Amino acid sequence: EADIYQTPRYLVIGTGKKITLECSQTMGHDKMYWYQQDPGMELHLIHYSYGVNSTEKGDLSSESTVSRIRTEHFPLTLESARPSHTSQYLCASSDDRENSYEQYFGPGTRLTVT
Amino acid sequence: KNQVEQSPQSLIILEGKNCTLQCNYTVSPFSNLRWYKQDTGRGPVSLTIMTFSENTKSNGRYTATLDADTKQSSLHITASQLSDSASYICVVSDRGSTLGRLYFGRGTQLTVWP
Repeated sequence: EADIYQTPRYLVIGTGKKITLECSQTMGHDKMYWYQQDPGMELHLIHYSYGVNSTEKGDLSSESTVSRIRTEHFPLTLESARPSHTSQYLCASSDDRENSYEQYFGPGTRLTVT
Repeated sequence: KNQVEQSPQSLIILEGKNCTLQCNYTVSPFSNLRWYKQDTGRGPVSLTIMTFSENTKSNGRYTATLDADTKQSSLHITASQLSDSASYICVVSDRGSTLGRLYFGRGTQLTVWP
């Protein structure tokens, strides 16, 4: 069982609200990732971080932003939620060892914007 | 274009039966191939990871095969259980974990009936 946590697990919010999805890991991993997944579709990388104060945009364009002030914490923020942001958001982390391929996923946050 | 295609899209089997899920990929260069199990509303959990030199790997009742020449992989589930009901996702990486990008398939939705 991976030690990576996401809160909230479910969120229903109105259009225009600011939201922050929390992600924390206790494994000391330097690398962390945010994915977006719609039902029946593949995961798309929207943000990643190689360590503290490092953040990069992923393959899928997203209006969300992220920050990495502490190794264990990688929150994702939407300044103004829209119905198009309705999706499942998955956080993941991996360690920095060469030839280490494992990514550990959190349980996800199911976001619904009304 | 790097892609990962999985088949079938969905599968229903009876408890105790075996099944095989397929994954074809065009990702190049190739580093490793992973199979994940994703329960509904949860994050993916790793089942197996195979590098170029490995052509089979087992994890309990799960056995993955890899043919790097034909760029095909399969996941065989033996003596299925109700708890095997989930989406099984094939993921291919084009380099090592420190730099590699992950290409996700859309998954095969497996349902095991009693």
